[in-house]
Amino acid sequence: DGGITQSPKYLFRKEGQNVTLSCEQNLNHDAMYWYRQDPGQGLRLIYYSQIVNDFQKGDIAEGYSVSREKKESFPLTVTSAQKNPTAFYLCASRDGLMNTEAFFGQGTRLTVV
Amino acid sequence: DAKTTQPPSMDCAEGRAANLPCNHSTISGNEYVYWYRQIHSQGPQYIIHGLKNNETNEMASLIITEDRKSSTLILPHATLRDTAVYYCIVRVYPLSGGYQKVTFGTGTKLQVIP
Repeated sequence: DGGITQSPKYLFRKEGQNVTLSCEQNLNHDAMYWYRQDPGQGLRLIYYSQIVNDFQKGDIAEGYSVSREKKESFPLTVTSAQKNPTAFYLCASRDGLMNTEAFFGQGTRLTVV
Repeated sequence: DAKTTQPPSMDCAEGRAANLPCNHSTISGNEYVYWYRQIHSQGPQYIIHGLKNNETNEMASLIITEDRKSSTLILPHATLRDTAVYYCIVRVYPLSGGYQKVTFGTGTKLQVIP
């Protein structure tokens, strides 16, 4: 089945460690996005990518890094520079050229202790 | 992207219609209105979108005012499973493709009451 997969669903890390969140899609979508969600708040855009080997900062990119080496994959690294990394992280993809909706993964809940 | 304004929360009795408003007074002519919903701790789910005409699908109806400065999402017969946060966003449809920065606001938390 086509879809977008985030793994793992829950992730625990010690403070000061970098951690990489996985996002894979087999929808042949050009555009991919990473959002952060804190309790009781909406989604805030971290990074987005329209094509392979290119990506743009969103509204809260500080302390995060991404790569887009393959169309199917858009991993997000939460670095030690991110002051408050504990959050719910959502990945999305959409067909970049068509006026279609975005498809979201089920999210990864990251807890830094 | 134009900003949107939604009430933070709403209640609706089960079986009744839920009408969720959204203001987007700065919307431009080539921006579409999209609605998503997010059930607790899951990824957002697409509901419906439109440009200027009213739209209906199996999930909901979307009513856009003639001046396009506001819209209403209608769930005709709300069920307990419709309890979620509903997001209204506006987004440009670039005819030639290009970068699409899709941003979300805080949404409306809809509570369907038995």
